[in-house]
Amino acid sequence: EAQVTQNPRYLITVTGKKLTVTCSQNMNHEYMSWYRQDPGLGLRQIYYSMNVEVTDKGDVPEGYKVSRKEKRNFPLILESPSPNQTSLYFCASTWTGGETQYFGPGTRLLVL
Amino acid sequence: SQQGEEDPQALSIQEGENATMNCSYKTSINNLQWYRQNSGRGLVHLILIRSNEREKHSGRLRVTLDTSKKSSSLLITASRAADTASYFCATDDGGYQKVTFGTGTKLQVIP
Repeated sequence: EAQVTQNPRYLITVTGKKLTVTCSQNMNHEYMSWYRQDPGLGLRQIYYSMNVEVTDKGDVPEGYKVSRKEKRNFPLILESPSPNQTSLYFCASTWTGGETQYFGPGTRLLVL
Repeated sequence: SQQGEEDPQALSIQEGENATMNCSYKTSINNLQWYRQNSGRGLVHLILIRSNEREKHSGRLRVTLDTSKKSSSLLITASRAADTASYFCATDDGGYQKVTFGTGTKLQVIP
């Protein structure tokens, strides 16, 4: 089944403790992206990647890092999480030139 | 910054009625899409309309686009309880990698 998976789905952590949220897709998509969703703000793009080893900032990249060492994986790294990064995070992917993004199920993060 | 803003923020209707939600955006676009999100879950693509199109249909969905007013509307006809969800518009300016989502309309369809 074609899908985008994220792990973990739920995470509670404390300020400053590094964490990684994984994203994997099995559709051989070149493009992958991370969004955060906050009430009243909709989805905001954090980082995106056009292909392996090619990443770029979205609208809200501060406090996040990403890497794209393999085509199928696009992990989101929070080196020193803060409470304002408490949010619902989504990974999405599509093929080069694709107009429709395929979304993962989301990761709900709470930073205390 | 947010490109699209949906109106209304929330909408409650009876099953069988039509639901209309609107999206306004600020800059020129290449495509406008509508996505649906069931509570707290991932978004699912519904329909795409290109900047040179004015209207598009897909099943019970009808989308219109007015580039002169920088606005779009999504009409769901003969609504069902299963249509209860949040609906988001998303725009791109031709660079598909930078898609900007609106703030969403929360639709409740009462059985």
